[in-house]
Amino acid sequence: DQQVKQNSPSLSVQEGRISILNCDYTNSMFDYFLWYKKYPAEGPTFLISISSIKDKNEDGRFTVFLNKSAKHLSLHIVPSQPGDSAVYFCAAANAGNNRKLIWGLGTSLGVNP
Amino acid sequence: DGGITQSPKYLFRKEGQNVTLSCEQNLNHDAMYWYRQDPGQGLRLIYYSQIVNDFQKGDIAEGYSVSREKKESFPLTVTSAQKNPTAFYLCASSIRAGTYEQYFGPGTRLTVT
Repeated sequence: DQQVKQNSPSLSVQEGRISILNCDYTNSMFDYFLWYKKYPAEGPTFLISISSIKDKNEDGRFTVFLNKSAKHLSLHIVPSQPGDSAVYFCAAANAGNNRKLIWGLGTSLGVNP
Repeated sequence: DGGITQSPKYLFRKEGQNVTLSCEQNLNHDAMYWYRQDPGQGLRLIYYSQIVNDFQKGDIAEGYSVSREKKESFPLTVTSAQKNPTAFYLCASSIRAGTYEQYFGPGTRLTVT
């Protein structure tokens, strides 16, 4: 039972354009959401997070949007750069579950020069 | 230069042998975690420790054991009871047990033949 779903296994965008990565969740108890970036054979790197009391969080080129009614969040990368090519994981947690992170399966982003 | 180190990067073992994966952090983080990643899969939690001398099973603890005798160290032993040990193993830490953001080491690729 996949509580965090990233329905697009891969995404390809042109350098300079916007990349939008999507994540859906089923557990309404989740109160915190995180995005991680992962290169092959390396550990994930924390990118950005959002609390369920907010609907947007921005950090430089990265913005995360949360739509609680739709149980959907998205990561926007503007402008996309070739170095952004990686696998992006969405994760969710709630205080009632010891804040254990529940992970999606990832979306592989390719940014073409 | 603070961070999480995992050694070795690649590890090969024969079936039936126990093997211990190292994880050390100098971030002064209280909590540490072990995950496993398989191809095309999200991260799955094996064990976690919120404080020294304490640890809890994650979602896939069978065939694994851990210890947390020092704050900086959280070694994972893959025992011969683990049916499919070949995988990419990731260690992570967070500032304290109540923190959502986790920071990852570079990972160890274990191959058992």
